[in-house]
Amino acid sequence: NAGVTQTPKFQVLKTGQSMTLQCAQDMNHEYMSWYRQDPGMGLRLIHYSVGAGITDQGEVPNGYNVSRSTTEDFPLRLLSAAPSQTSVYFCASTAFGTYNEQFFGPGTRLTVL
Amino acid sequence: EDQVTQSPEALRLQEGESSSLNCSYTVSGLRGLFWYRQDPGKGPEFLFTLYSAGEEKEKERLKATLTKKESFLHITAPKPEDSATYLCAVTYSGAGSYQLTFGKGTKLSVIP
Repeated sequence: NAGVTQTPKFQVLKTGQSMTLQCAQDMNHEYMSWYRQDPGMGLRLIHYSVGAGITDQGEVPNGYNVSRSTTEDFPLRLLSAAPSQTSVYFCASTAFGTYNEQFFGPGTRLTVL
Repeated sequence: EDQVTQSPEALRLQEGESSSLNCSYTVSGLRGLFWYRQDPGKGPEFLFTLYSAGEEKEKERLKATLTKKESFLHITAPKPEDSATYLCAVTYSGAGSYQLTFGKGTKLSVIP
């Protein structure tokens, strides 16, 4: 199993540009989520999904869009990038039924100029 | 007010010098407390889940304990390869079932 994969690993955008961060998992997990990690702050939840076709907002959803068309994929879209979105983004997944570990991807480091 | 507070922010230990990291939480209705390890440039790696006060879990040189308002991660005779940032997170009844609320982490450096 590859686990949770994310692409790209690094990205530089100009203010106003759009892009999609990709996340995929091969563990058949129902729950997937996106976090951002900023210096001096804990990881913060952006959006999450409890299954295909179902998404909801987390703590810091503004400026981000998500969809979940399959169990495996959960892309994060930045519609009009802003410097405040410079961060490291992590995707995570877990199976329902317990409160056990969530598996995190390797992250995407995004810089918005 | 932060819901999850970790201390210290940074800790330098000599190889073999045991110590503890602290994670205190203010949320009600705790469902689970999680410890993760994060190496530079990588995603968090799961270590432990604790569910109720009095519970303990061990893995190699690490032992996690839980009380009603805090958790400790004890590191016994650490080695340089234990150097990393250790993250604490909770899930609780006032948030989504699987939503993790993280502390800011403790950066551990183990000097040979």
